Amino acid sequence: EVQLVESGGGLVQPGRSLRLSCAASGFTFDDYPMHWVRQAPGKGLEWVSGISWNSGNIDYADSVKGRFTISRDNAKKSLFLQMNSLKVEDTALYYCAKVAYDSNGYYAHLANWGQGTLVTVSS
Amino acid sequence: DIQMTQSPSSLSASVGDRVTITCRTSQNIASYLNWYQHKPGKPPKVLIYAASSLQSGVPSRFSGSGSGTDFTLTISSLQPEDFATYYCQQSYRTSLTFGPGTTVHIK
Repeated sequence: EVQLVESGGGLVQPGRSLRLSCAASGFTFDDYPMHWVRQAPGKGLEWVSGISWNSGNIDYADSVKGRFTISRDNAKKSLFLQMNSLKVEDTALYYCAKVAYDSNGYYAHLANWGQGTLVTVSS
Repeated sequence: DIQMTQSPSSLSASVGDRVTITCRTSQNIASYLNWYQHKPGKPPKVLIYAASSLQSGVPSRFSGSGSGTDFTLTISSLQPEDFATYYCQQSYRTSLTFGPGTTVHIK
């Protein structure tokens, strides 16, 4: 069974940093791209960042580009999100999600999600 | 970036109703469109991928259609457990985008 468990959230002041982790199990971690998605209070889902299986392709939403860094450690089956220069508007529940593909390997979707870790940015 | 819109933003419906939600993208994404259901306190759940493929374990009352820039999620007969927020999401680019969501309320 695929399991994704996020950790590292908490209360932090604006301008400070936080590092989120996602521990994966139940699948061959280094076979799949991974993503971070967040939901701010009362808002919809917002894609944050994604990373390919070998870290060769990395993307960020414009709202976090230059402040957040995604990484992965395939040996430890872990995904990370280093968040620097945090802003009040980064307050959200952060999910990690695993990509799956259709049977032909073309169409990607986020098939498995963790329960999320809450980040609160406030003074 | 690929922009996405959904309509309506919310709707009220009764158990047994047929519900249709529309998603439109700012550029042609072929069939790289997924639909998710999200309930409070739970992670999102994929319902439909590749515009019209039903995810394993999802009830057959859910269906998806469309290609290019216009897509539809249909619930053929709304059940009590279907009251939730629904999001479309494009995977045409590795920079993913979600639609703003459609909340389905009980009438």
